[in-house]
Amino acid sequence: GENVEQHPSTLSVQEGDSAVIKCTYSDSASNYFPWYKQELGKRPQLIIDIRSNVGEKKDQRIAVTLNKTAKHFSLHITETQPEDSAVYFCAASVYNNNDMRFGAGTRLTVKP
Amino acid sequence: ETGVTQSPTHLIKTRGQQVTLRCSSQSGHNTVSWYQQALGQGPQFIFQYYREEENGRGNFPPRFSGLQFPNYSSELNVNALELDDSALYLCASSPNPREGEQYFGPGTRLTVT
Repeated sequence: GENVEQHPSTLSVQEGDSAVIKCTYSDSASNYFPWYKQELGKRPQLIIDIRSNVGEKKDQRIAVTLNKTAKHFSLHITETQPEDSAVYFCAASVYNNNDMRFGAGTRLTVKP
Repeated sequence: ETGVTQSPTHLIKTRGQQVTLRCSSQSGHNTVSWYQQALGQGPQFIFQYYREEENGRGNFPPRFSGLQFPNYSSELNVNALELDDSALYLCASSPNPREGEQYFGPGTRLTVT
């Protein structure tokens, strides 16, 4: 089955800097790659997603890139703010929300 | 529009007991997925229900079972509880399995002693 690896496990940046989180996946049939943000004690929330027919997607300060050949995808957050501090999870699946496999998470801390 | 709700919020059980967790899907959603999130880990897919039928299952033993009702709410049942079953159990609903964002509930924190 699908195996998703995520790096780094922790990331600390200064406010205003950029943050990059990387994930790799093993199943070449995967074609849906969402990113979730989970604040302490709260539910995961979708922040951006990308499908395999697209190489890059951007939403304001957040962007995701996908390299299907290398089976890796990345989350880029620019101009980080303290409220970006949270745990971020990448995920991959073949059929949208079915059998979605998550990475272990990255704890992002943005220092003011 | 009503969001995804789960009950109970917290639960403490003894090893060997059985537990039932409940999830109400968001209005208009007919698909519910269940996840187990151990402390410091990402959610692990348990199974998905679509129109009252199981529609995919992760690497969990048969003592993890589920149901979906005609109103698309769902239950997760775990028999013969083990200490390692202690985790946050999340459900997520989506419009259907093939498209649309999935929305997570707040989770049920299960502690097995």
